[in-house]
Amino acid sequence: AQSVAQPEDQVNVAEGNPLTVKCTYSVSGNPYLFWYVQYPNRGLQFLLKYITGDNLVKGSYGFEAEFNKSQTSFHLKKPSALVSDSALYFCAVRDRSSNTGKLIFGQGTTLQVKP
Amino acid sequence: AAGVIQSPRHLIKEKRETATLKCYPIPRHDTVYWYQQGPGQDPQFLISFYEKMQSDKGSIPDRFSAQQFSDYHSELNMSSLELGDSALYFCASSLKQTPTYEQYFGPGTRLTVT
Repeated sequence: AQSVAQPEDQVNVAEGNPLTVKCTYSVSGNPYLFWYVQYPNRGLQFLLKYITGDNLVKGSYGFEAEFNKSQTSFHLKKPSALVSDSALYFCAVRDRSSNTGKLIFGQGTTLQVKP
Repeated sequence: AAGVIQSPRHLIKEKRETATLKCYPIPRHDTVYWYQQGPGQDPQFLISFYEKMQSDKGSIPDRFSAQQFSDYHSELNMSSLELGDSALYFCASSLKQTPTYEQYFGPGTRLTVT
């Protein structure tokens, strides 16, 4: 079965510091991995995805993620955090057991960036 | 750019009532997914449609049904509502159901069952 895990319920970081939100996955075959962000009372916004190719994927709002096959991880990173980055972040994997591409989400990590 | 539209944004119903949630995908997107997000939970897949046909089914109660219409909009019908149905319901659309295409989410419908 495909699954993703986000080991941290919350990450706290000071504005201007680098941030990392962790994600590990368990899939059969090559994974299709995604990061989404959810602001309060809003829908999920797509940040970035890894399908194939370079292990470092760049996305929206200065975020990037590093795919590491040996560690089965897909951590989200940003060199310099902003207060406005404070939100709920979800890692997701595409279910490849069917061809419909439904997403399987991790538990979510709340990012708190303090001024 | 056009986004996924969901209506209504908020809905309050009583137990045993019915509710209909609507989703209008991004133009030219032919695939629609429905997800349910309970309080403090991650989104859970309910059902999906591709080219107006149901393509996959997740943990959707038998009390719920859905369809996709000729204009690709989709409706989620919920009957005999229970308190546990209170959640945020997201619709997402994608250009084809190919797994490499990202899904774009609507703002959600917050359903409260009292």
